[in-house]
Amino acid sequence: GDSVTQMEGPVTLSEEAFLTINCTYTATGYPSLFWYVQYPGEGLQLLLKATKADDKGSNKGFEATYRKETTSFHLEKGSVQVSDSAVYFCALSINTDKLIFGTGTRLQVFP
Amino acid sequence: GAVVSQHPSWVICKSGTSVKIECRSLDFQATTMFWYRQFPKQSLMLMATSNEGSKATYEQGVEKDKFLINHASLTLSTLTVTSAHPEDSSFYICSADPMGQGASDTQYFGPGTRLTVL
Repeated sequence: GDSVTQMEGPVTLSEEAFLTINCTYTATGYPSLFWYVQYPGEGLQLLLKATKADDKGSNKGFEATYRKETTSFHLEKGSVQVSDSAVYFCALSINTDKLIFGTGTRLQVFP
Repeated sequence: GAVVSQHPSWVICKSGTSVKIECRSLDFQATTMFWYRQFPKQSLMLMATSNEGSKATYEQGVEKDKFLINHASLTLSTLTVTSAHPEDSSFYICSADPMGQGASDTQYFGPGTRLTVL
């Protein structure tokens, strides 16, 4: 079945470090891919998305490119801030509202 | 805008009792709300899709009689865990889809409710 696999956390970085959170997927159709972020005490928020192969989603300095050949959608940011500390979820959806999530990766950024 | 709240945020109950969790869209109307469950270090798993004024659609393997969902208005959906047992302890998250959107990325999520059954 359709699924999402993302790297286990926590990911611990110093401020201004480069961030990569890996995400790969398995899907029977042509999924849309998403990254959601959950800040402490808040609900999940859509961070970025890509709807077809080679699309790049970007927001708040974060980027992810839809790679069909490697079935991946890795999240990157060139210089993280303390305020980026949160849990990041990779997800996919095929045609419907149903979202299939990865397990989430906690990012901790220290000054 | 687009805030979804859940109440309570945290609840402890005794085995055999029932617990109701509320999900409200505070500044928009939602014909569709979703209920997810998350175990520690595991993915959010969709439990059911709740449609205003009609019966909820449950995912395979989710017991309809145990997890009662009511979507009585365009701003409120409730999940009742009946005859709760320790294995029902989990983090329950709802999301709401604004009217007529019908796209995955327009779901707005609540902050979640942690249920602990003793």
